[in-house]
Amino acid sequence: EVQLVESGGGLVQRGGSLRLSCAASGFIFSSFDMNWVRQTPGKGLEWLSYISSTSSIIYYADSVKGRFTISRDNAKNSLSLQMNSLRAEDTAVYFCTRDLIGYDGDAFDLWGQGTMVTVSS
Amino acid sequence: DIQMTQSPSSLSASVGDRVTIICRASQSISTYLEWYQQKPGKAPKLLIYAASFLQSGVPSRFSGSGSGTDFTLTISSLRPEDFATYYCQQTYRASWTFGQGTKIEMK
Repeated sequence: EVQLVESGGGLVQRGGSLRLSCAASGFIFSSFDMNWVRQTPGKGLEWLSYISSTSSIIYYADSVKGRFTISRDNAKNSLSLQMNSLRAEDTAVYFCTRDLIGYDGDAFDLWGQGTMVTVSS
Repeated sequence: DIQMTQSPSSLSASVGDRVTIICRASQSISTYLEWYQQKPGKAPKLLIYAASFLQSGVPSRFSGSGSGTDFTLTISSLRPEDFATYYCQQTYRASWTFGQGTKIEMK
């Protein structure tokens, strides 16, 4: 089955760190660009970070630049998001997503189920 | 960042209705516009990419149009499973941004 499964969410104190993981299966992970997106009731959907298939290109949203680090391990079919200096406003459901292949835009054609991150103040 | 504004924020409709959602970008994004559907407790699902291309497996009652700054998502005849929240997203320039969503509720 083609799927993405996130893990690593939980409760963390303000200023703390958390590492999210996304396990890919059912497709050739190394061929796809990937992203992290989060969702909160207040701010809706927010794209956070992009990594190309070979990790040669990485982008971050300004809201997480310098605090979050995206990485991937194509040998392990795994995507990660290291989150440091967490703030209350980072509380959200975090999704990993796959870019639609063959399109020079960045539509997300596959999403994980999401993992909840709660930052306590 | 490019701002995406959807209208309306919510609408009430009945099964069989034709529904149109508008998405406006704060600057021209060519046709780098995607549409998603999200149901409660689920991840978003890609419906339309590149403004007007139907994603594989999506029913043909969904269609998209537009270019530049103004875009529309149309559901030609609403079905019960279409009651959900719809989001547009621009992928013209990183950082990619989403609209605030349009919730379709049952009248």
